[in-house]
Amino acid sequence: GESVGLHLPTLSVQEGDNSIINCAYSNSASDYFIWYKQESGKGPQFIIDIRSNMDKRQGQRVTVLLNKTVKHLSLQIAATQPGDSAVYFCAEKTSGTYKYIFGTGTRLKVLA
Amino acid sequence: GAVVSQHPSWVICKSGTSVKIECRSLDFQATTMFWYRQFPKQSLMLMATSNEGSKATYEQGVEKDKFLINHASLTLSTLTVTSAHPEDSSFYICSARAVTSSGANVLTFGAGSRLTVL
Repeated sequence: GESVGLHLPTLSVQEGDNSIINCAYSNSASDYFIWYKQESGKGPQFIIDIRSNMDKRQGQRVTVLLNKTVKHLSLQIAATQPGDSAVYFCAEKTSGTYKYIFGTGTRLKVLA
Repeated sequence: GAVVSQHPSWVICKSGTSVKIECRSLDFQATTMFWYRQFPKQSLMLMATSNEGSKATYEQGVEKDKFLINHASLTLSTLTVTSAHPEDSSFYICSARAVTSSGANVLTFGAGSRLTVL
């Protein structure tokens, strides 16, 4: 299905603090998940991915947690910086396809 | 890393005209590309899956005669918005599936094309 929302939820975080962005996905058959960052007027950029056989994956300053029981995905950003301000989307891929469906997105605002 | 180039980045056209948007995979071959549409402050909506050498697969509610997709080579897919109207104004983004060194299938996006129909 498609995800459409009238307003993006916003998360405001003080610079230097940790950010946690959440995403609820819809399909229990999804086997692969990606977090994307989108800056204004640009295409989404890959941040980190996780397969459904994992529950945690760490990158540089970012960690993705997957809870398949409640179909929940989170992105944690450590020591949030002004350059992290953007809209963050989770995307899920259904097993057996290469189709990715995007979540509604969260706008992250980093306060100086 | 995998790079997807999209052109034009923005276009303004008159109502009733057709507009073509190109999506190229620069350093890899892409048998499958995807076209998304994004309205302001909203998420990306998958429009269609573009398959090299065959017909595109359209999502429910997307008019295939309105949004013509051609994927004639392994590095190029085009989206043509035919007889464009103001309600077609949107941000169109293409993506291609690239396989990373770890074997993961990552969707790499172009920078998007902003279409404004007057």
